[in-house]
Amino acid sequence: DIVMTQTPLSLSVTPGQPASISCKSSQSLLHSDGKTYLYWYLQKPGQSPQLLIYEVSIRFSGVPDRFSGSGSGTDFTLKISRVEAEDVGVYYCMQSTQLPPFGGGTKVEIK
Amino acid sequence: QGQLVQSGAEVKKPGASVKVSCKASGYTFTDYYMHWVRQAPGQGLEWMGRINPNSGGTNYAQKFQGRVTMTRDTSISTAYMELTRLRSDDTAVYYCAAISRKTWGQGTTVTVSS
Repeated sequence: DIVMTQTPLSLSVTPGQPASISCKSSQSLLHSDGKTYLYWYLQKPGQSPQLLIYEVSIRFSGVPDRFSGSGSGTDFTLKISRVEAEDVGVYYCMQSTQLPPFGGGTKVEIK
Repeated sequence: QGQLVQSGAEVKKPGASVKVSCKASGYTFTDYYMHWVRQAPGQGLEWMGRINPNSGGTNYAQKFQGRVTMTRDTSISTAYMELTRLRSDDTAVYYCAAISRKTWGQGTTVTVSS
C-alpha cells in the first residue's frame, strides 16, 4: 500500500499571510502515461470535499489564483498566497494511481 | 460536467445492514473507478474501497473486509455500497467519489442507534 503523509497536521494563519501544506507519498505518483494524478481538496465544515487542484498544479474551474500546487514524483506542495477567512477547513491531497488514495488531512484555521 | 447523486439518509439498528446507492450522470460510468469514503462525526475522511464499474472488480480496505460489498448496475449507471453488521461507530457520512473524474456525491448520513 502507498502511504500519503501530509504536514503539518494543523495550521493557524493570520488573514493575508501565506500558507503551505506538504504532501509526501511513499511511492512515485508518476503514471505510465506520463501524468501525475495528484489532487488537492478542501473540505469545509458540513460539506463534501471540493476540488482545488488536479494533476499537481492545474487549478480547477472557479478556484482563486491564490491557490497553487507544485511538486513531482513523491513530494508535493499546496500554497495559498494570501489566506482568507473562507479558506478554513481541512485540506487533503489525494491520488488516483495507487491505493489507498489519501491519508490524513491538514486543518487550517484563522488566527 | 458530471455528477453523482446518492440515496437518502438512513437510520439503522446495531447488527443491521445498510445499502447506499450512487447514481452517475454526465459522464461514462464505466470509464472511472468508483470509490467509497466515509467520515465519522468530527473525524477525517476514511477510504473504504473501490469498484471498477466496467469489470465489477473490487478492492476493499482491510478494515472493512468481510463487512462491505460494493456492486454496480451498469444499465442504470449506479454503484452500491452495502455495509453489514452495523455498529454505533459506523455512524458517519458516506460518500461515493469518482476521484479521477474529479466528481463526488453529496454524501449519505447513516446513523446507527438502538
